Amino acid sequence: EAGVAQSPRYKIIEKRQSVAFWCNPISGHATLYWYQQILGQGPKLLIQFQNNGVVDDSQLPKDRFSAERLKGVDSTLKIQPAKLEDSAVYLCASSFSTSEYEQYFGPGTRLTVT
Amino acid sequence: AQSVTQLGSHVSVSEGALVLLRCNYSSSVPPYLFWYVQYPNQGLQLLLKYTSAATLVKGINGFEAEFKKSETSFHLTKPSAHMSDAAEYFCAVTRTDSWGKLQFGAGTQVVVTP
Repeated sequence: EAGVAQSPRYKIIEKRQSVAFWCNPISGHATLYWYQQILGQGPKLLIQFQNNGVVDDSQLPKDRFSAERLKGVDSTLKIQPAKLEDSAVYLCASSFSTSEYEQYFGPGTRLTVT
Repeated sequence: AQSVTQLGSHVSVSEGALVLLRCNYSSSVPPYLFWYVQYPNQGLQLLLKYTSAATLVKGINGFEAEFKKSETSFHLTKPSAHMSDAAEYFCAVTRTDSWGKLQFGAGTQVVVTP
């Protein structure tokens, strides 16, 4: 079975620019997660979707970050405008459901903001 | 609320020696616990999970972990380190009422020396 796909793998932008990341979860997985992993830290959940609805976005900086999961499959995470502190790896993960606790991670997108 | 503490941000082991990575959790309700491994420039891969069945859990690549409620610990071990075990390891916790939301520790970087 195909894993979680993410693109791009790497992105370098200047501060105040905008950027978007794309994630395609494993087929049939209803739950999708976006994590931010700053260098030297564990992943931190930004937003969680169940199908196309948001379950938890309590840690998403909503003044600059937005995410959507139209049709309950692919998802896009956007940052506008980017700040230096947004430099991190953005990981997408999916699971069959919220009661299926095993999450499958994509390879991540490494963002560098200069 | 739940949290995870990983003791030691870096661990160096000799090839063939015991690998021991420490993880302590706090949770107001019975937790589900996980160990993930992350190789350079890759996403996270599940090593093993505890979901209230057997307290000694065996995972992939020869790793195992024991859930000790009295010590609120879930330490990861492997009897004999291999060069391919060099990676970063993350302990994570969730609860049945958390919709699958994972709280990660800060990670432990493992270096294996010949």
